[in-house]
Amino acid sequence: KAGVTQTPRYLIKTRGQQVTLSCSPISGHRSVSWYQQTPGQGLQFLFEYFSETQRNKGNFPGRFSGRQFSNSRSEMNVSTLELGDSALYLCASSLAGENFPVFGSGTRLTVV
Amino acid sequence: AQSVTQLDSQVPVFEEAPVELRCNYSSSVSVYLFWYVQYPNQGLQLLLKYLSGSTLVKGINGFEAEFNKSQTSFHLRKPSVHISDTAEYFCAVRFSGGSYIPTFGRGTSLIVHP
Repeated sequence: KAGVTQTPRYLIKTRGQQVTLSCSPISGHRSVSWYQQTPGQGLQFLFEYFSETQRNKGNFPGRFSGRQFSNSRSEMNVSTLELGDSALYLCASSLAGENFPVFGSGTRLTVV
Repeated sequence: AQSVTQLDSQVPVFEEAPVELRCNYSSSVSVYLFWYVQYPNQGLQLLLKYLSGSTLVKGINGFEAEFNKSQTSFHLRKPSVHISDTAEYFCAVRFSGGSYIPTFGRGTSLIVHP
């Protein structure tokens, strides 16, 4: 069974640009969550999607957005990038949200 | 607010020595508890989980954890560590009756020296 796949693994962007990250969950998993991991703030919850609907949202500005497609694949978008957005972005999937999430390897975003 | 505290940011230990990584949470409701491990440049991998039943939980790689409701703790232990156990360890708690999104601790860096 394939795990959670995140693409790309690494990204370098310039301040002010926007970026889209992709996540393919484990087959059959309908819940996809996104987390931002930084040395200073640790692991912070961004949002969770279930059946194409955002079901939970963390405390991040509106520059951070996401969506989920009918095949449960999810994307997150960050607009007007800031230096502080440099982080490891982790995607996690679970059957329906109530089970423990399975994480992907993450996308490391560097904003210069 | 519900929170998870990992008391040690870094734990150095020699190979083959025992180790305990501490985790406490603040909650008066039922909880589900998890430990995850993160190796460099990788995502989080589930080590073990407590959902109900026996308070002593065994996980992968020889790790185990004990749920102590009275002390609201879920400490992770291994009797003999290896160099390959060097990684970041995260405790996570899901509080019943509310959002099922787990709350993560800040992580403990386990450094195993030869």
